[in-house]
Amino acid sequence: EVQLLESGGGLVQPGGSLRLSCEASGFTFSSYAMSWVRQAPGKGLEWVSGVSGRGSETYYADSVKGRFTISRDNSRNTLYLQMNSLKAGDTAVYYCVNEPYDFWSGTLYYWGQGTLVTVSS
Amino acid sequence: EIVLTQSPATLSLSPGERATLSCRASQSVSSYLAWYQQRPGQAPRLLIYDASNRATGIPARFSGSGSGTDFTLTISSLEPEDFAVYYCQQRSNWPLPITFGQGTRLDIK
Repeated sequence: EVQLLESGGGLVQPGGSLRLSCEASGFTFSSYAMSWVRQAPGKGLEWVSGVSGRGSETYYADSVKGRFTISRDNSRNTLYLQMNSLKAGDTAVYYCVNEPYDFWSGTLYYWGQGTLVTVSS
Repeated sequence: EIVLTQSPATLSLSPGERATLSCRASQSVSSYLAWYQQRPGQAPRLLIYDASNRATGIPARFSGSGSGTDFTLTISSLEPEDFAVYYCQQRSNWPLPITFGQGTRLDIK
């Protein structure tokens, strides 16, 4: 059974930084691309970033490009999202998502339960 | 950026009835269209990918159809657990960007 457990969310001031983690189990982590998707309170879904299985290709939404960095440690079965220069508009639940191929395709297959990031002074 | 417009915004039906949800793209997305279900307080769940393929473990009452700019998610006979918000999502202009529709809320009548 695929399990994705996000952590690292919390309250941070505007301009601050936060690193999210997603620990994966139940599948061969290095063989599959991964994504982060966020959802602002009471709003819809927004794709944030994606990474290939080997970590060699990364992709970002324009809204976070230059501020967020996605990475993965395949030896630890863990996905990361480093978030810098945070803004109030980044407040959301962040979901870790597994994809069905080793290349990033935008097919958002299995979702974690999410971690809440609140950017506020 | 490809814009997805879902209709209706809210759909009120009774258990046992048939639900038809629509998603229209601002330009062709071929068959690169997925549907997700989100129950209150839960993470989204993939139902349908590439327009008509059911994801693992999804009941047969869920089906997807369409290509190009017009897509439909059909739930043949509503169960109580189907009342939720449904989102469509396209991945046509891979690798970037993928976009979601604004959602359709399916309420119990």
